Amino acid sequence: QKEVEQNSGPLSVPEGAIASLNCTYSDRVSQSFFWYRQYSGKSPELIMSIYSNGDKEDGRFTAQLNKASQYVSLLIRDSQPSDSATYLCAVQYNAGNMLTFGGGTRLMVKP
Amino acid sequence: KAGVTQTPRYLIKTRGQQVTLSCSPISGHRSVSWYQQTPGQGLQFLFEYFSETQRNKGNFPGRFSGRQFSNSRSEMNVSTLELGDSALYLCASSLGSSGGSDTQYFGPGTRLTVL
Repeated sequence: QKEVEQNSGPLSVPEGAIASLNCTYSDRVSQSFFWYRQYSGKSPELIMSIYSNGDKEDGRFTAQLNKASQYVSLLIRDSQPSDSATYLCAVQYNAGNMLTFGGGTRLMVKP
Repeated sequence: KAGVTQTPRYLIKTRGQQVTLSCSPISGHRSVSWYQQTPGQGLQFLFEYFSETQRNKGNFPGRFSGRQFSNSRSEMNVSTLELGDSALYLCASSLGSSGGSDTQYFGPGTRLTVL
């Protein structure tokens, strides 16, 4: 059973702070990792993908992958109230293109 | 480039009925995946279609089925609806490359309510 775990939150941070979201996964053959953002009542929106160990930066977002420890994280710098949403971690395995999602972390950025 | 479209956006059915949902992928994308999202179970994979063939299947009963047409548009069908089928049904479109690294983009979803 392939599992993806996230702290459900809510994670509350003040505006301008760094928000750190974490995700662990159970299967070592995991190939690709994705972070999606989902606003209430909306569909998931892709933020970033990461395939190799290390950091990947895109604007205010940085994804970090450590395959040996089986975790992936997302850092949001200079958090804004508009970043308040549920962040979903998704893992894709070599055997197919299906995504296995974590339960999501609800982020609240307070002005 | 237009995004993924899904119709209808909202649907209300009664137990025992069947329903068909439609998804049009991003132009050039050949893979369509379907997911069910509920508050209790989160986002769960239903199935993936690529070149009109089901390539992957999740752990859902046979009441859930789908198909893909030659233009990559996809439909999913749920027969003999149950109360527990009430959910947001999401379609995701991708190029369809195998072996991972295939980025999926989600449509707006169809909100199904079963009474």
